Amino acid sequence: EVQLVESGGGLVKPGGSLRLSCAASGFTFSHAWMSWVRQAPGKGLEWIGRIKSKTDSGTVDLAAPVKGRFTVSRDDSNNTLFLQMNSLTTEDTALYFCTRYGDSYVDAFDIWGRGTMVTVSS
Amino acid sequence: SYELTQPPSVSVSPGQTASITCSGDNLGDKYACWYQQKPGQSPVLVIHKDTKRPPGIPERFSGSNSGNTATLTISGTQAMDEADYYCQAWDSSTASYVFGTGTKVTVL
Repeated sequence: EVQLVESGGGLVKPGGSLRLSCAASGFTFSHAWMSWVRQAPGKGLEWIGRIKSKTDSGTVDLAAPVKGRFTVSRDDSNNTLFLQMNSLTTEDTALYFCTRYGDSYVDAFDIWGRGTMVTVSS
Repeated sequence: SYELTQPPSVSVSPGQTASITCSGDNLGDKYACWYQQKPGQSPVLVIHKDTKRPPGIPERFSGSNSGNTATLTISGTQAMDEADYYCQAWDSSTASYVFGTGTKVTVL
């Protein structure tokens, strides 16, 4: 079964750090371009970062609001995606989804996890 | 930065057609896709590459994209189609995926 399972969310104080993980199964993770998308409570979807496959350079791209604070990495040997979040603010409070960007035939986010909640509060 | 604008809400009677627009500069030059999100659930891809339906998505969902507007059309809308819908495109100038503002579809 194709699946993405996020973990690592929780309550953190402003200025703190958190590392999210996403365990992938049911597809060839090493070939996939992976992204993180977040959704603040009652708000819309916001893309925050992606990492290409290593065969496509492994480049990381980040959205402007998180550049310099967040980074995306991957461990292909363990089929796991990571999101390292530093200097967190209350505006980072959201449900964080791990998602796969499908191949050139799809050109869209075709697999989504259920999300892990991050709450930034003092 | 690139922006995609959607109407906040659309209401439709059961069996009728719902059309949801997504507006952005020269959006027709990019591929648009659409996601459905029901309360408490993760988004689901319903249209990709402007017009294509993923496996398992009902034929009543269709898409188009031209000029500055992409449109998701739900024909013969059913109660189960009540959800939030988001368009999305890739902005190469900023190397960013961009989501639309979202539209709540209510089936009255």
